[in-house]
Amino acid sequence: AQTVTQSQPEMSVQEAETVTLSCTYDTSESDYYLFWYKQPPSRQMILVIRQEAYKQQNATENRFSVNFQKAAKSFSLKISDSQLGDAAMYFCAYRSARVGANSKLTFGKGITLSVRP
Amino acid sequence: ETGVTQSPTHLIKTRGQQVTLRCSSQSGHNTVSWYQQALGQGPQFIFQYYREEENGRGNFPPRFSGLQFPNYSSELNVNALELDDSALYLCASSPWGLEAFFGQGTRLTVV
Repeated sequence: AQTVTQSQPEMSVQEAETVTLSCTYDTSESDYYLFWYKQPPSRQMILVIRQEAYKQQNATENRFSVNFQKAAKSFSLKISDSQLGDAAMYFCAYRSARVGANSKLTFGKGITLSVRP
Repeated sequence: ETGVTQSPTHLIKTRGQQVTLRCSSQSGHNTVSWYQQALGQGPQFIFQYYREEENGRGNFPPRFSGLQFPNYSSELNVNALELDDSALYLCASSPWGLEAFFGQGTRLTVV
């Protein structure tokens, strides 16, 4: 079974600064996807960024980028130029890419990010 | 907005009752997954439906059941409600194997 661990329950960042959220995972599979989701107080889970395990290049989406270390099973999210609207819970998630596998997402416990003005 | 809508947004039930939660998936999405998110926790996978058939189930008892309809909308039914069933229930829809889009969830309180 796959597990996702987010060991930091809370983090805080000054507006316009950079913050890194950590995530580790465990799997015996070689082909999978990793995601970071944002959940604001509105409750809707919003996809921030996605990484395919077979790609060595780290994914980037505007101010969001990841540091994917497959051997270490580490997947951190870097938010640059933090904005007040980035304040939310952030979840790291895993999904198998095995042929025939369902689309089940395995989530970590999440981290609450606050942004100081 | 993702196009995935859930109803109701909130409800309160009494222990032992039954509840039905509904999810209207985004157009063209034939896969629906349900998750339970306890307060302060990450979502836990309940089950997934693909073309009206259950296609994977998490560690939840049989009193959690579901349906998917020909238009790919879905229901989650929970029988014999327990206090620990109080949670946010999230529905996610996707084309098979592709990105999941989440609804805003149903907040269920069991008293």
